[in-house]
Parts: sequence; C-alpha cells; structure tokens
Amino acid sequence: GQQVMQIPQYQHVQEGEDFTTYCNSSTTLSNIQWYKQRPGGHPVFLIQLVKSGEVKKQKRLTFQFGEAKKNSSLHITATQTTYVGTYFCAGRAGKSTFGDGTTLTVKP
Amino acid sequence: NAGVTQTPKFRILKIGQSMTLQCTQDMNHNYMYWYRQDPGMGLKLIYYSVGAGITDKGEVPNGYNVSRSTTEDFPLRLELAAPSQTSVYFCASSNGNEQFFGPGTRLTVL
Repeated sequence: GQQVMQIPQYQHVQEGEDFTTYCNSSTTLSNIQWYKQRPGGHPVFLIQLVKSGEVKKQKRLTFQFGEAKKNSSLHITATQTTYVGTYFCAGRAGKSTFGDGTTLTVKP
Repeated sequence: NAGVTQTPKFRILKIGQSMTLQCTQDMNHNYMYWYRQDPGMGLKLIYYSVGAGITDKGEVPNGYNVSRSTTEDFPLRLELAAPSQTSVYFCASSNGNEQFFGPGTRLTVL
C-alpha cells in the first residue's frame, strides 16, 4: 500500500536557526497536507498543496510540493520557540496517509 | 461551533474490558476518521466513514469496531481491551479537504 516517509524524526535547533522536514511518498499524490501538533495537543491543519512544483508561504514557513508530486518539504526560517511541536505530512492518493512526523525542539 | 468533540478525555481499562469512545462533529462533514497515536509515533488510521451508514477499515482495524448511524456521530468500540491498545485516540472529520481533529482520548489498558 501507499507509504509516506518523513525525515528527520527529530530535530533540535537553536533559536534563530532554520529547520526543514522532508516528506516522501511511494506513490504519486493528488495533494499533500501539512499539520502541526503541539506537545499534548491534537494535529492542526496548516496547508494543502495540490499542483506540481507548488510553493506556498505562511510567515516564516515555506511549503513545497515536488515536480513529480511524490515529495514535499516544510522549511522554517529563523525558528522561534513558538514553532516547537511535531510536523506531519499527509499524502493523498485515494486515501490520505500520514507520515510519522518530525518533532522540532528549540533551544532559546 | 464546537468542532469535533471526544469523550472521555482519559480512561483506564483492565485487560478484557470493553468501552466506547465517543466522537461528535457539528460541521456537517461527511468524512470521519479514527486514528491512534502511540507515544512518539505518527497517526495510524483505524476506521473511516464517508457518510452515514458507510464505514471502512483503515490500516489497523483489528480489535475495534465502528458505526455511523448519523452524520454527527462516529463512535469507536473496543472489545476485549489489550495492553497493545494503550494509546491516544483521535477522531477527525473532513469535508473532503483538511481534517479537523478532536482533542483526543488517552486510553491506558492495564
């Protein structure tokens, strides 16, 4: 079946450093969604990418969808402590499959 | 709108007991989902529904059952609880695009 791999599993950065998480699918996706889960909380939708090569920005966050629609990335510029949490991608090929997430911790 | 609500928030079960996790949404969404999240792991789909009266298995359905008699409610039933079912359970709903998650039920089976 469809598999969605996310790397790295954990990332610890100093405040002000950049952060990137990558999502790779075994199949071509119709869309990809990104969610954020704060410690002890529930996943919250961030964004959806649909088009090949699409790039979207939300403040310090930049989301990209690969040309082949099999991979995606989330980049945070100059990370702050407010961005701490686990970031999940969810790739849709028929049904949506979540990656295992990347947990971001930030040292002030 | 309350969004997606789940009850209870916490529960401890003994091995072999059964229980129902409740999930209700007030957004008139057709799609509803049950996930489990083990510590430090991602979300595994247990069951999902595309509308009232229609349910289907996800990745990890064994040991669980669901029903969808109304658009609003999607209860998850655990029969003969086992320690392997210790997890956080999230219910979600969707109109076909983004998923809205409930706050979760933290279940421990001892």
